[in-house]
Amino acid sequence: DAGVIQSPRHEVTEMGQEVTLRCKPISGHNSLFWYRQTMMRGLELLIYFNNNVPIDDSGMPEDRFSAKMPNASFSTLKIQPSEPRDSAVYFCASSLNFGDSYGYTFGSGTRLTVV
Amino acid sequence: QQQVKQSPQSLIVQKGGIPIINCAYENTAFDYFPWYQQFPGKGPALLIAIRPDVSEKKEGRFTISFNKSAKQFSLHIMDSQPGDSATYFCAVATSPLGGGSYIPTFGRGTSLIVHP
Repeated sequence: DAGVIQSPRHEVTEMGQEVTLRCKPISGHNSLFWYRQTMMRGLELLIYFNNNVPIDDSGMPEDRFSAKMPNASFSTLKIQPSEPRDSAVYFCASSLNFGDSYGYTFGSGTRLTVV
Repeated sequence: QQQVKQSPQSLIVQKGGIPIINCAYENTAFDYFPWYQQFPGKGPALLIAIRPDVSEKKEGRFTISFNKSAKQFSLHIMDSQPGDSATYFCAVATSPLGGGSYIPTFGRGTSLIVHP
């Protein structure tokens, strides 16, 4: 089991550019979560999917952020246009079942720097 | 408004010491209290969790103490080792019985350094 795979590991982009972060959940997991981690705000839940369907996107900070899950093995988080305040580490996590009390498996994250 | 308040922000102990990390919450609907451990460059990983029907849970050198009336819970690391150096997050969640789905809301984290 390769775990949750995120790409790229690091992304540096200029303000105003589009950024796409990618996530491959653990095979067989049917729930997927996107988090953002910053020193100021800690770990924030942005959006989560169950069976590829977005359930709650109330954590998405602005319309500049969008997420998709076209199939059970792939999800993207897109920021367009990016701003310096979007700089953070973005984590994807997956769980076997929605409401899994054994917690999630997190990926290693994508460190985004917007200059 | 923070759902769970975690302290201290950072902690330094000597090998063999017992670091204690504390968390407090307000919403009595929470009924699941996990702790996560995060090493640099990695995502958080579930370490141990407790439900409010017990006051203590041990897994190896890690112990959660839970005080339902005070709405507080803490993580104790017995015989701490340099390899325990990491950031620790407490979290709160509501189970499906409580109308939730175990999705955790995280504390701000505690950076622990264990010196050899």
